[in-house]
Amino acid sequence: EPEVTQTPSHQVTQMGQEVILRCVPISNHLYFYWYRQILGQKVEFLVSFYNNEISEKSEIFDDQFSVERPDGSNFTLKIRSTKLEDSAMYFCASSPTSSGPGELFFGEGSRLTVL
Amino acid sequence: AQSVAQPEDQVNVAEGNPLTVKCTYSVSGNPYLFWYVQYPNRGLQFLLKYITGDNLVKGSYGFEAEFNKSQTSFHLKKPSALVSDSALYFCASGVTGFQKLVFGTGTRLLVSP
Repeated sequence: EPEVTQTPSHQVTQMGQEVILRCVPISNHLYFYWYRQILGQKVEFLVSFYNNEISEKSEIFDDQFSVERPDGSNFTLKIRSTKLEDSAMYFCASSPTSSGPGELFFGEGSRLTVL
Repeated sequence: AQSVAQPEDQVNVAEGNPLTVKCTYSVSGNPYLFWYVQYPNRGLQFLLKYITGDNLVKGSYGFEAEFNKSQTSFHLKKPSALVSDSALYFCASGVTGFQKLVFGTGTRLLVSP
């Protein structure tokens, strides 16, 4: 069964460093997402991406965050200058639907620890 | 603004007994409603969704959920719980025309043998 894969599974970084989290969505899916889950808290939407551009973003997704799909298969989340509060599990997801919220297929997550 | 509430942090049930995990929502317009399950150190897995039609929705692993518009609820149910159902369950909502889902805080289900 096709699945969403994410790398790395765990990354430890120093505050102020840049981090890139990588995802390979399911190949025939159209929408791609990043969500995050701070330990013990709810899952929060960061951004959705369709047709090579951001379709929606939350207030969390400020100028320190960026996403791109550099080669037609990978989907990356870059955090330019990490802060302590960026420590969380970051989930990539993809969806086959082209309109409205649909079933999301999540990866296993990348745990980011900012020291 | 959308919101989803899961009033119980944890639900305990004995194996073989029926289970209910509660969810209420606040959405302008017609909601899209979802249940996801998260096992330890794993991503979220889709269980079921309601968009329109029958109020009782059947999903994976024997789970079902009932949409109740008057009570703005979408409770998750299963007639007979298994120990392997023990996990973290998230209710989520969305609205047409937008991609984002708003998740509840999650309910930990513990099924004892």
